[in-house]
Amino acid sequence: QPVLTQPPSVSAAPGQKVTISCSGHSSNIGSSYVSWYRQLPGTAPKLLIYQNNQRPSGIPDRFSGSKSGTSATLGITGLQPGDDADYYCGTWDTSLSAGVFGGGTKLTVL
Amino acid sequence: QVQLQESGPGLMKPSGTLSLTCAVSGGSISSSKWWSWVRQPPGKGLEWIGEINQSGSPNYNPSLKSRVTISIDKPKNQFSLKMSSVTAADTAVYYCVRGGPGGGHGADSWGQGTLVTVSS
Repeated sequence: QPVLTQPPSVSAAPGQKVTISCSGHSSNIGSSYVSWYRQLPGTAPKLLIYQNNQRPSGIPDRFSGSKSGTSATLGITGLQPGDDADYYCGTWDTSLSAGVFGGGTKLTVL
Repeated sequence: QVQLQESGPGLMKPSGTLSLTCAVSGGSISSSKWWSWVRQPPGKGLEWIGEINQSGSPNYNPSLKSRVTISIDKPKNQFSLKMSSVTAADTAVYYCVRGGPGGGHGADSWGQGTLVTVSS
């Protein structure tokens, strides 16, 4: 059972906005940076957001991240067919002294 | 831009020891403080296995700690994973990664992944 909780699936139409939640505890999200990843079928995950809300070079500003308390959110605006993928949140758990990921969310662009 | 490439056996028998190596190219392994291993069973989510820093100090997933060893070889610009007593449950795509999910820069570079199948 993943330490971080994400909805199994979300969907939205092209051009719309979607948010993906990631819920944790004070020992993980509440006390550590959150990162977000996108995984296209058959490929390795790719970093979208680090330090809760920072975008690596090359990641468009359609992608945004936020954190409040023990929850984090990934936002994607202007949805495109290519955004159809699995999305994962990740952080460090101070109680486990281990990295942890959410179970993943399948985004379907209708 | 740093690139990572996993290498190791694709097929293993139960009870054996899995050995994977990650070759880092396009930059020095000393360029990043932490290097990690992450795995993904077929059709399932990501699981953090562990990480190692420049000083050779590792952190491991508590659920795997008794079976896992991660090491770093700076002269060869590579780091490695060993997992003992493998079972079918260890069948997964194994990724080597620069950084980690909770690090200051996240897990910002990933290898393409290598599928390891444990079967008799």
